[in-house]
Amino acid sequence: GESVGLHLPTLSVQEGDNSIINCAYSNSASDYFIWYKQESGKGPQFIIDIRSNMDKRQGQRVTVLLNKTVKHLSLQIAATQPGDSAVYFCAESDPGNQFYFGTGTSLTVIP
Amino acid sequence: ETGVTQTPRHLVMGMTNKKSLKCEQHLGHNAMYWYKQSAKKPLELMFVYSLEERVENNSVPSRFSPECPNSSHLFLHLHTLQPEDSALYLCASSPGVYYEQYFGPGTRLTVT
Repeated sequence: GESVGLHLPTLSVQEGDNSIINCAYSNSASDYFIWYKQESGKGPQFIIDIRSNMDKRQGQRVTVLLNKTVKHLSLQIAATQPGDSAVYFCAESDPGNQFYFGTGTSLTVIP
Repeated sequence: ETGVTQTPRHLVMGMTNKKSLKCEQHLGHNAMYWYKQSAKKPLELMFVYSLEERVENNSVPSRFSPECPNSSHLFLHLHTLQPEDSALYLCASSPGVYYEQYFGPGTRLTVT
């Protein structure tokens, strides 16, 4: 089966600092990756995605980096705000197959 | 909100009860999914429907029975559940099968 994991289960950052959340995957055939944010009592919310033909993609205050050589994905959040506190998890898929999700990193923003 | 709604948001049921979870998507998507989310575990895919046809059934016990009457609605019928079935059940939809998925808020199910 697929193995999608995160390096740290919890992360605490000061408000205004940048956050980096990491994800490792094992399937070298995976070509599509998504980061989700899940706040308490809510369903996962799509944040940003990236395909394997790219190394970097930027959104509003978020950047996803993909290193296919070491099968590593990261999510960078700039100027972290209290509203960013949530569980973040990555998902990967290879062509035509289901997504496999990581267990998540819990981000806490300290005011 | 994501355009995917789920009812009820919370459900407590006994092991001999029969209940149904409902999901509705307002995004014009063609694919819908049921996931199970348990504490400290990755999301587990249960069922996938594409244009009302089931395309994936991940070895889910028969006490869970999905129904997709049209591309906007998805149900999960529950009967004779076990306490270990207690979890958050998430519905999602996507433009096509295995495109980016948009999730509903989930139904928190407790089996007593």
